[in-house]
Amino acid sequence: DADVTQTPRNRITKTGKRIMLECSQTKGHDRMYWYRQDPGLGLRLIYYSFDVKDINKGEISDGYSVSRQAQAKFSLSLESAIPNQTALYFCATSQSNQPQHFGDGTRLSIL
Amino acid sequence: KQEVTQIPAALSVPEGENLVLNCSFTDSAIYNLQWFRQDPGKGLTSLLLIQSSQREQTSGRLNASLDKSSGRSTLYIAASQPGDSATYLCAGVTGNQFYFGTGTSLTVIP
Repeated sequence: DADVTQTPRNRITKTGKRIMLECSQTKGHDRMYWYRQDPGLGLRLIYYSFDVKDINKGEISDGYSVSRQAQAKFSLSLESAIPNQTALYFCATSQSNQPQHFGDGTRLSIL
Repeated sequence: KQEVTQIPAALSVPEGENLVLNCSFTDSAIYNLQWFRQDPGKGLTSLLLIQSSQREQTSGRLNASLDKSSGRSTLYIAASQPGDSATYLCAGVTGNQFYFGTGTSLTVIP
């Protein structure tokens, strides 16, 4: 969905590095989400935000932090990356309880 | 915690067949249930969303049902086509969180 843009699309980095994944949306949605997808485990929610000043932990928030800089932008940070954070990361948006719209994902590899 | 299961993990059918994908969940306090499609290297595309007060939703050849009492949802695909080949995921919303199944990988053989 081109209305939800994730950058970068691919990233390879080393253990201990700080990494930021960016998500921006042009859909005007109030809610934004960060997920990670791992083979055999499906998608798991990391953090979500219902508004600019609202941040909530998801199922697996340890080791991650987020920032909702504006309604259209939601960033995910890994303060000190570790190899088991290697995964496919997705940003999603929704308007209230309407269907979620996903970006194309960021493939992150931590060596 | 909500547990969402999808069985089978993979399914192959000849073109033109009707098929049913299954999704089961453990917590009946589900707010809504959403079905997605994921193509390789892509994000998820929303197919249908069923609110907890609804029993089913239809879009074209797709029909999704929700039975909260039995903890089940099904996605029915009529007259399958090769373009339907993808991974199909269901997600239940409990509280403010989405809980995803691991998906069913569907291959429609021409």
